[in-house]
Amino acid sequence: DVKVTQSSRYLVKRTGEKVFLECVQDMDHENMFWYRQDPGLGLRLIYFSYDVKMKEKGDIPEGYSVSREKKERFSLILESASTNQTSMYLCASSLPGQASYEQYFGPGTRLTVT
Amino acid sequence: AQSVTQLDSQVPVFEEAPVELRCNYSSSVSVYLFWYVQYPNQGLQLLLKYLSGSTLVESINGFEAEFNKSQTSFHLRKPSVHISDTAEYFCAVSARNTGGFKTIFGAGTRLFVKA
Repeated sequence: DVKVTQSSRYLVKRTGEKVFLECVQDMDHENMFWYRQDPGLGLRLIYFSYDVKMKEKGDIPEGYSVSREKKERFSLILESASTNQTSMYLCASSLPGQASYEQYFGPGTRLTVT
Repeated sequence: AQSVTQLDSQVPVFEEAPVELRCNYSSSVSVYLFWYVQYPNQGLQLLLKYLSGSTLVESINGFEAEFNKSQTSFHLRKPSVHISDTAEYFCAVSARNTGGFKTIFGAGTRLFVKA
């Protein structure tokens, strides 16, 4: 059974803290994605990576960075958390190169910044 | 540029009634179309997809969607819903672009199935 796991289901952080969200997939997928999900806005792409140490900005990269040191792991970093980053964060992975390939999602991390 | 519009943010329906969740898209190139489902407190999972061939695609739990190129739509239907179908449903469009490919998700439709 394919698996994408995320390090935390729920996280509460204070404004200004540095926050790490970890994602691991066991499917040997080249592509990995970070989305945030907000009511009425659907999923918005923050960053994606198509290979180790490679990354591309998505639609809303401001305030975020990512790291991909190993193929199976993709980390999202909030350098200085702010209240407007309170959201559900979803990680996904997929096979490379084809628009026809579906994405496999983790269970999500609900982050609250106070 | 691609875009996806899910026309209903919430759809309440009684158990065993039929349901249609609407999705329209815009794209200047050929697309692949997906419906994902998100059950409470879970991530998204693929429900069905259209890649090519027959315009009617089906899922294993009774949902179906029809690709209509002229109307640029990919509406999701089920003839008789169950309580367990209560979830949020996302339509997604994927297409090639200059950098590789891009997938756009709609805003989601919450389906509430009432007893």
